[in-house]
Amino acid sequence: VVMTQSPLSLPVTLGQAASISCRSSQGLVHSTGNTFLNWYQQRPGQSPRRLIYKISNRDSGVPDRFSGSGSGTDFTLKISRVEAEDVGVYYCMQGTHWPWTFGQGTKVEIK
Amino acid sequence: ELVESGGGLAQPGGSLRLSCAASGFSFTAYWMSWVRQSPGKGLEWVANINPVGSETYYLDSLKGRFTISRDNAENSLYLQMNSLRADDTAVYYCATAARGDNAGEASWGQGTQVTVSS
Repeated sequence: VVMTQSPLSLPVTLGQAASISCRSSQGLVHSTGNTFLNWYQQRPGQSPRRLIYKISNRDSGVPDRFSGSGSGTDFTLKISRVEAEDVGVYYCMQGTHWPWTFGQGTKVEIK
Repeated sequence: ELVESGGGLAQPGGSLRLSCAASGFSFTAYWMSWVRQSPGKGLEWVANINPVGSETYYLDSLKGRFTISRDNAENSLYLQMNSLRADDTAVYYCATAARGDNAGEASWGQGTQVTVSS
């Protein structure tokens, strides 16, 4: 399954909103009825950290300015008010079909 | 916590064995994974193994060259890499195999660099 993100680069003003799109080449509904679409954040020099699982569920400790939405093959990650600590690369990842796959990443930077 | 070791420089056609020491969670209850990251290919989910080590999944392009295994008595995960190629050069991460079922299930190590070059 190919995961395609856009944009690949996203300059944002502090305090402004940001939105990242992710499209899958196949539907991501698993036989269990769940849609295993996740979002990861990778800050500079760090390992990836999962933010969102099953489209819209925030992981423990993730600020509520991060939200996920979507269905079928189209998904979105939104940051309501970008803070300096949000700089990094964001990846969508599907865990429905093996091999699990990532998007190519969206680099969020501060203008 | 997941701590990888065993990375380094290998010759094309050579072998390396990566290790991952797990602590702070019930290792024997988790599916585990190796994930790699390279500038050319981005993030790739390399292999998964079930809690008892009897079921494994691999990226198709790696089958026959890489072997994932675990030692639950030692809380350790391994990746045996044979017939290494230049395009295997990447940072290799040990991770819980978190497809997205539950909060807090996803944990990654800091990664270990593997460079394949003559």
